[in-house]
Amino acid sequence: GQNIDQPTEMTATEGAIVQINCTYQTSGFNGLFWYQQHAGEAPTFLSYNVLDGLEEKGRFSSFLSRSKGYSYLLLKELQMKDSASYLCAVRGGDDYKLSFGAGTTVTVRA
Amino acid sequence: SAVISQKPSRDICQRGTSLTIQCQVDSQVTMMFWYRQQPGQSLTLIATANQGSEATYESGFVIDKFPISRPNLTFSTLTVSNMSPEDSSIYLCSVRTSGGSSTDTQYFGPGTRLTVL
Repeated sequence: GQNIDQPTEMTATEGAIVQINCTYQTSGFNGLFWYQQHAGEAPTFLSYNVLDGLEEKGRFSSFLSRSKGYSYLLLKELQMKDSASYLCAVRGGDDYKLSFGAGTTVTVRA
Repeated sequence: SAVISQKPSRDICQRGTSLTIQCQVDSQVTMMFWYRQQPGQSLTLIATANQGSEATYESGFVIDKFPISRPNLTFSTLTVSNMSPEDSSIYLCSVRTSGGSSTDTQYFGPGTRLTVL
């Protein structure tokens, strides 16, 4: 089975940094994804990690440690438009199916 | 990246009726999936749409309720049959694209927001 945990809510100030943690226990591993989802919209792809280490894309970075079953998404220089739900998803062994965490709602305040 | 379109974008349906949702991708993709997102919840995989053969359903989902077609590599349909208010949800088509490990990713369509009265 798949077990993916992430915090329910986080609040931060505009211009600050927020780190969203995700821990997982899955049967097989073939990559970890982060998605951003604004209310009423579909998820938007942010990052994909399959090897250990940090992947940086502008203001967003994602880190993976396979041995610890752990990832984080780092959002820097927060903007009001970053207020959204952030979904951690793990792709299992050979079947390439994604299992999602419950999502972390990030609220950015002025 | 892949551009995914879904029709309809939203619908309001009566109990007991059926609705077919279409998903079109602008390029050939290796895998297509259908997800459901109920209000206030995360995404749940319904099934993997297999080209030229029957879909592979997840636990709790059956073909009679959610028949799926995938006649080619760029198109799939999901039908929600004999609907009840509990089927009110957003239905999302998703595709896996693979150009090697650096570009292997998965994208989502805009979703179909279904309300059953």
